[in-house]
Amino acid sequence: DIQMTQSPSTLSASVGDRVTITCRASQSISSWLAWYQQKPGKAPKLLIYKASSLESGVPSRFSGSGSGTEFTLTISSLQPDDFATYYCQQYNSYWRTFGQGTKVEIK
Amino acid sequence: QVQLVQSGAEVKKPGASVKVSCKASGYTFTGYYMHWVRQAPGQGLEWMGWINPNSGGTNYAQKFQGWVTMTRDTSISTAYMELSRLRSDDTAVYYCARELYGAGYMDVWGKGTTVTVSS
Repeated sequence: DIQMTQSPSTLSASVGDRVTITCRASQSISSWLAWYQQKPGKAPKLLIYKASSLESGVPSRFSGSGSGTEFTLTISSLQPDDFATYYCQQYNSYWRTFGQGTKVEIK
Repeated sequence: QVQLVQSGAEVKKPGASVKVSCKASGYTFTGYYMHWVRQAPGQGLEWMGWINPNSGGTNYAQKFQGWVTMTRDTSISTAYMELSRLRSDDTAVYYCARELYGAGYMDVWGKGTTVTVSS
């Protein structure tokens, strides 16, 4: 199985900050990576697919980049609604895997 | 609108089985894979597998092979996930989520079904 490792596990930030989350794959997955946002008690929500394509309706302050084994999710200016947990997910193989998650907390 | 409506919360005893349903509406059920993902309390997301509602073909994560069964009923646009031989660490929220064939990512999710395993 392809292992996905996110860093950091927790991130403390303030409204207006630029935030970057990293996701590393145990082998190359080309650009077959998605990012999700999850709030407590809610289902995950798709933000980014194919590493850098923004899902319809998602604010443009979210962006994704990377290919191969290293990827980033960037929030250009953190908003109050963005405090949540973020997960990456690879789909290079039939067997999908998620990263362990990054919790973005209020500083 | 597109939605996935899951069945209600379940409480089961260790060793029992649970079957969770996921009813699709607002789109062509047979045009999308249906994935199942679980989340134990305070933990991350764990992918369990998918079913192709068109063919009935399945693909399970290695951990769940021999233990999970995913089925569907196309006449009522509903997918099912059955987990057998439940243990306390199967206590989790179970989500269904759709994927356009070949897209790889899950764009619509159900709200989740809480399964509690307790003696």
